Amino acid sequence: AQKVTQAQTEISVVEKEDVTLDCVYETRDTTYYLFWYKQPPSGELVFLIRRNSFDEQNEISGRYSWNFQKSTSSFNFTITASQVVDSAVYFCALSDHTGGFKTIFGAGTRLFVKA
Amino acid sequence: EPEVTQTPSHQVTQMGQEVILRCVPISNHLYFYWYRQILGQKVEFLVSFYNNEISEKSEIFDDQFSVERPDGSNFTLKIRSTKLEDSAMYFCASSATAYEQYFGPGTRLTVT
Repeated sequence: AQKVTQAQTEISVVEKEDVTLDCVYETRDTTYYLFWYKQPPSGELVFLIRRNSFDEQNEISGRYSWNFQKSTSSFNFTITASQVVDSAVYFCALSDHTGGFKTIFGAGTRLFVKA
Repeated sequence: EPEVTQTPSHQVTQMGQEVILRCVPISNHLYFYWYRQILGQKVEFLVSFYNNEISEKSEIFDDQFSVERPDGSNFTLKIRSTKLEDSAMYFCASSATAYEQYFGPGTRLTVT
C-alpha cells in the first residue's frame, strides 16, 4: 500500500534558521514520483518539486534543497535561512502505478517562521 | 504557462442543495482528478477520470458525488445533496502522463 508519513506536525523556527521537513514514503513500485507542495494560508497548493524514483540526485533551488534517499525511503526538504514568508503548511506526496497514479499526500507539516 | 482553473473560488450553499464545482484542465491532458481537503487536514483523493469514465474512486466518493466531462474542456464535480461534512477545499488536477499532476487553485465549499 502507498503511504506518506510526515512525522512533524508543527515546526517553529526563528527567521534565518535552517529547517528540515521530514518525509518517509512507502510503495511497492519501482517507478514512482515524489512531490513537495507548499500551502500558504490562502489555500492553494504551490508545486515545489517533483522527483522520479530513478533520480536520486539531490536538488537545490535557491534556499530550498531536497535530499532523496531510496535506501531509507525518505525525501526530506530543507529551507536554508528561513524567512517569514516561508510560513505555510508543507505537504510531501507520492504517485505510483499501483495507486492508479493518484497522488497520496502526507498529513503535512505546519511551519511557523518568527521574525 | 498553461494552468488548471477552477470556478467558483468560493461557494456557499445550504445543506441539502446540489452544487457543481467546475474545472478547466490543461488542454492536452487526458487524466483528470478531484481531491478534497477538509480544513486543517490532509488532501485526500476522491476520483480519477480517464477516457470518459471513472478509473478509480475512493470510499469518500459515494452516490452523492458524480463527475462529468460535458464538453471536452470542462470537468465537473457534482454533489447532489450537500451535507455539513462536505465543507472543504476541493482541488481539481489534470495530467498528460498520469504521474505528473497539475493542481488547480481549489474551490472552497462551505455548507451551512
